[in-house]
Amino acid sequence: NAGVMQNPRHLVRRRGQEARLRCSPMKGHSHVYWYRQLPEEGLKFMVYLQKENIIDESGMPKERFSAEFPKEGPSILRIQQVVRGDSAAYFCASRQANTGELFFGEGSRLTVL
Amino acid sequence: GESVGLHLPTLSVQEGDNSIINCAYSNSASDYFIWYKQESGKGPQFIIDIRSNMDKRQGQRVTVLLNKTVKHLSLQIAATQPGDSAVYFCAENYEGGKLIFGQGTELSVKP
Repeated sequence: NAGVMQNPRHLVRRRGQEARLRCSPMKGHSHVYWYRQLPEEGLKFMVYLQKENIIDESGMPKERFSAEFPKEGPSILRIQQVVRGDSAAYFCASRQANTGELFFGEGSRLTVL
Repeated sequence: GESVGLHLPTLSVQEGDNSIINCAYSNSASDYFIWYKQESGKGPQFIIDIRSNMDKRQGQRVTVLLNKTVKHLSLQIAATQPGDSAVYFCAENYEGGKLIFGQGTELSVKP
């Protein structure tokens, strides 16, 4: 059973470009979370999604950031018009319904030049 | 506000000694806590969890203690090994199922 799969593992973008980060949850997991981690810091909650629904996006910046988890396919975190401050590691986690444990992917590291 | 914090940012121990990593949380309504280990360049890895109706839980070489009176959580690692070197995060289950993470403690094990 594969774990949470994230791609790309590393992404370089220039200021103003778009970044798309993908996350395939573990098989059977219908809940997906996105976290951002700056160097030497903890993980900051961004958004919590279930299939086709955004449950909690209280950690998402109001502009340029969006997330989706369609009925088919991976969850996508999209950052439009990236700025240098968006450089970070973005982690996806998934869990089954009715369980607490989150399983994390290896992260996508975004570098904005 | 949402806040889970750690008392010590770094901890250095001798191989074979026991390690204790502490964590304070602020939301008295939180009912579930998890410790994660994160090695450099990798994602967080689940270590052990505990629900608020318990005050102690043991795993393999690890024990988590929960003191709800003072809102304090600790992770004890027995016979610490070089492979235990990593950053350790406590996380608090917030309303609606999201986890709020603390800043992290870096554990360094000296051979």
